[in-house]
Amino acid sequence: DVKVTQSSRYLVKRTGEKVFLECVQDMDHENMFWYRQDPGLGLRLIYFSYDVKMKEKGDIPEGYSVSREKKERFSLILESASTNQTSMYLCASSPRQGATNEKLFFGSGTQLSVL
Amino acid sequence: GQNIDQPTEMTATEGAIVQINCTYQTSGFNGLFWYQQHAGEAPTFLSYNVLDGLEEKGRFSSFLSRSKGYSYLLLKELQMKDSASYLCAVKGYQKVTFGTGTKLQVIP
Repeated sequence: DVKVTQSSRYLVKRTGEKVFLECVQDMDHENMFWYRQDPGLGLRLIYFSYDVKMKEKGDIPEGYSVSREKKERFSLILESASTNQTSMYLCASSPRQGATNEKLFFGSGTQLSVL
Repeated sequence: GQNIDQPTEMTATEGAIVQINCTYQTSGFNGLFWYQQHAGEAPTFLSYNVLDGLEEKGRFSSFLSRSKGYSYLLLKELQMKDSASYLCAVKGYQKVTFGTGTKLQVIP
């Protein structure tokens, strides 16, 4: 069974802390994505990666960075957490473009609260 | 960039048919997804349209018209468990952009 695993389901951090959100997929997918989901705003793309060590900014990259040192792992980093980064964070992966099964597979999400 | 529009909320009766529309404007198009998301859960895949026309999968069907920038998701024989948010998403060259979702409430 395909699996995208996010390290934490719930996380509470303080303003100014450095926060790491980890995502691991076991499907050998090339593409990985980080979204945040807020009521009324839907899923918004933060960063994505189409290969190891490659990263591309999404629609709302400010305040975030990412790391993809291994194919199966894609980390989202909040350098200095702020209250407006309180949100549900969803990681997803998909096979390379042109593959027969290009859909996104999502992890369970991490609900981050920044106090 | 991408601009995706879908209704915010819809209500339908158990056993009925409901159509959820999605319009999009995009600088690049490589396909359109529909996802279902129950409250507190991750989105799950429903359909993927690349070419114009209707794709049927059990009670769910999805239609795409690329020239009109339009898609719809059709749900037949509605069940209470179909109460969820339905997300339209457009695949560009590499990234996938989601609409804000349509919250569907199925009532008895």
